[in-house]
Amino acid sequence: DTGVSQDPRHKITKRGQNVTFRCDPISEHNRLYWYRQTLGQGPEFLTYFQNEAQLEKSRLLSDRFSAERPKGSFSTLEIQRTEQGDSAMYLCASSWGSEGQPQHFGDGTRLSIL
Amino acid sequence: SQQGEEDPQALSIQEGENATMNCSYKTSINNLQWYRQNSGRGLVHLILIRSNEREKHSGRLRVTLDTSKKSSSLLITASRAADTASYFCATFSGGSNYKLTFGKGTLLTVNP
Repeated sequence: DTGVSQDPRHKITKRGQNVTFRCDPISEHNRLYWYRQTLGQGPEFLTYFQNEAQLEKSRLLSDRFSAERPKGSFSTLEIQRTEQGDSAMYLCASSWGSEGQPQHFGDGTRLSIL
Repeated sequence: SQQGEEDPQALSIQEGENATMNCSYKTSINNLQWYRQNSGRGLVHLILIRSNEREKHSGRLRVTLDTSKKSSSLLITASRAADTASYFCATFSGGSNYKLTFGKGTLLTVNP
C-alpha cells in the first residue's frame, strides 16, 4: 500500500493562469474524490469518480474546473483562468466502493494565486 | 455547508492528560467517522462508528455516538505530543455513501 500520491505539493501561479494537479490513488481503489480545504476549515467535497465515470460534481466546481480519470486510474484536476479565491489546499482521496470503507487521503496540493 | 461541527475549536493540554472533542451533526446518519490531520498533511482515518453503535474503542481512542442528540465525542487517553493535530468528524451527506461532509475541526495541541 503506497498510499495516495499528489503532485505537485505546492503550486504558485499568477491570476489568470491555468493549473493542473495530478492524483494517483491506491491502485485497488475504484472510487476517487477531490476535496478543497481552506485555512481553518474542513475539506469540502468537489467531485467523485467511480472507476472512470464522474458521478457527481459539487456546485463549488464552477465551469473553470474540470476533472478527469482516464481508464479509472490516476486523476487530474484542472483550473482554468485562476482567481484569488482558488487559493486553497486541493486534496485527493480514494476508497473501495463498499459501505463504511474509509477514504484514504493524499497530502494535497497547496495552490497559491499571486 | 458544514454537516458536523466540532467543539471546542482549539484545545491545549499537557502530555499524559486526556483530550475530549465533541461533534454535532444535523441530519440522520448511517455512520460517523473521525479523521486526524497533521499540519500541512492529508487526513488520516481514525475510526468509524455506525448508527446502531453507542461506543467504540481503538487503542487510546474512544468514540461515543448519541443519535438522539445528533452528537459524537472523541476521547484520546494519555495524550502524547505526537497527537498534536486537527481532528475532524465527518458524515455522509445528501443520502450518498461517498460524499463526506466535514466540520471545521478541533485543533489539539499537546504540550510536552
